[in-house]
Amino acid sequence: DQQVKQNSPSLSVQEGRISILNCDYTNSMFDYFLWYKKYPAEGPTFLISISSIKDKNEDGRFTVFLNKSAKHLSLHIVPSQPGDSAVYFCAASGNNAGNMLTFGGGTRLMVKP
Amino acid sequence: SQTIHQWPATLVQPVGSPLSLECTVEGTSNPNLYWYRQAAGRGLQLLFYSVGIGQISSEVPQNLSASRPQDRQFILSSKKLLLSDSGFYLCAWSWEGLYYEQYFGPGTRLTVT
Repeated sequence: DQQVKQNSPSLSVQEGRISILNCDYTNSMFDYFLWYKKYPAEGPTFLISISSIKDKNEDGRFTVFLNKSAKHLSLHIVPSQPGDSAVYFCAASGNNAGNMLTFGGGTRLMVKP
Repeated sequence: SQTIHQWPATLVQPVGSPLSLECTVEGTSNPNLYWYRQAAGRGLQLLFYSVGIGQISSEVPQNLSASRPQDRQFILSSKKLLLSDSGFYLCAWSWEGLYYEQYFGPGTRLTVT
């Protein structure tokens, strides 16, 4: 049972345009949602997070939107840069020892110059 | 600042051989520690987590085990590797009492032949 799903395995975007990565979840008990960025042969890097009490969090070019009623979150990257090309994982968790991070399968973003 | 180390970076082992991967964290005390595996083309799967010395929780049944002999040291082991153990192994840490924002090490690429 996949509690966190990223239905698009890949996304290709032109440099300077907006990249929108999507994520759906099923567990209404999740309290926190995060996005990680991963380059090949490296560990994931924490990018941005959002608490379930918010619907938007912004950090520079990255904005995460949370729609709790739809159990959906998205990551917007504006403007997209070639260095943003990586695999992006969304993850969700409750904040206690029994609720670990649950990751989606990842979306590979390719930003074309 | 905090740093997480993993070694070795790559490992090729024959089926049936033992395994020991090590992870250490610097710059924090009593971190939560995690082992994940990323199989080829798939998301991150939590294998073990630890909230303190000697406290290990397993998320999935397998022929792997984990130990935490010191506060900031986490070891992943196997007595006899299987072909299906091949993958990218990631160690991560989070602040004591905070479980959702995790920071990952560089990973170990394990190939079982």
